[in-house]
Amino acid sequence: EVHLVESGGGLVQPGRSLRLSCAASGFTFSDHFMDWVRQAPGKGLEWVGRTGNKAYSYITQYATSVKGRFTISRDDSKNSLYLQMNSLKTEDTAVYYCACIRGNTGYWGQGTLVTVSS
Amino acid sequence: QAVVTQEPSLTVSPGGTVTLTCGSSTGAVTSGHFPYWFQQKPGQAPRTLIFDTGNKHSWTPARFSGSLLGGKAALTLSGAQPDDEADYYCLLSYSGPRVFGGGTKLTVL
Repeated sequence: EVHLVESGGGLVQPGRSLRLSCAASGFTFSDHFMDWVRQAPGKGLEWVGRTGNKAYSYITQYATSVKGRFTISRDDSKNSLYLQMNSLKTEDTAVYYCACIRGNTGYWGQGTLVTVSS
Repeated sequence: QAVVTQEPSLTVSPGGTVTLTCGSSTGAVTSGHFPYWFQQKPGQAPRTLIFDTGNKHSWTPARFSGSLLGGKAALTLSGAQPDDEADYYCLLSYSGPRVFGGGTKLTVL
């Protein structure tokens, strides 16, 4: 059974940093592209970014709203995905999901809440 | 960054049929946008229903189908059930970067 478990969320002040993690199991993590998706309270889904697999040189792509502030990385030896968030803004407050949604995979984690507030 | 548009809300009667659409500000949606459809119920993570325009996962109920229709991606629900009441989101790819639609709140009433 596939599991994606996010962690690292919490309350953080504007301008500070936070690192989210996503632990994957039940599938061959290293084969797959991985995405981060967020959802602000009461709002819709927003694609944050993604990282490719080794065959695609771990290419990363980001939404305009986070480019230059957020960095996605992965450690295939640990079946883990990361989201480093710097210079956080109040509008980054959201539930952050990791997801494997490419081709015939459609896996989602349960999300971790990040609250940016002073 | 492209803007992806969906109907904000739709209502369908139990047993009825409804089509949700997903358009792109850049022009017609094609299979090259690899359209996805997701269902999300309150307090839950999204669930993937459709990938690459019209392909279903093993867990996707047969009453859901995906297609291209009139320059948009479309999700058709045939034989709606009360359990289908949820928010539905489409996702399009633009040669790498991806964009979600704003979502459609589907009411079964």
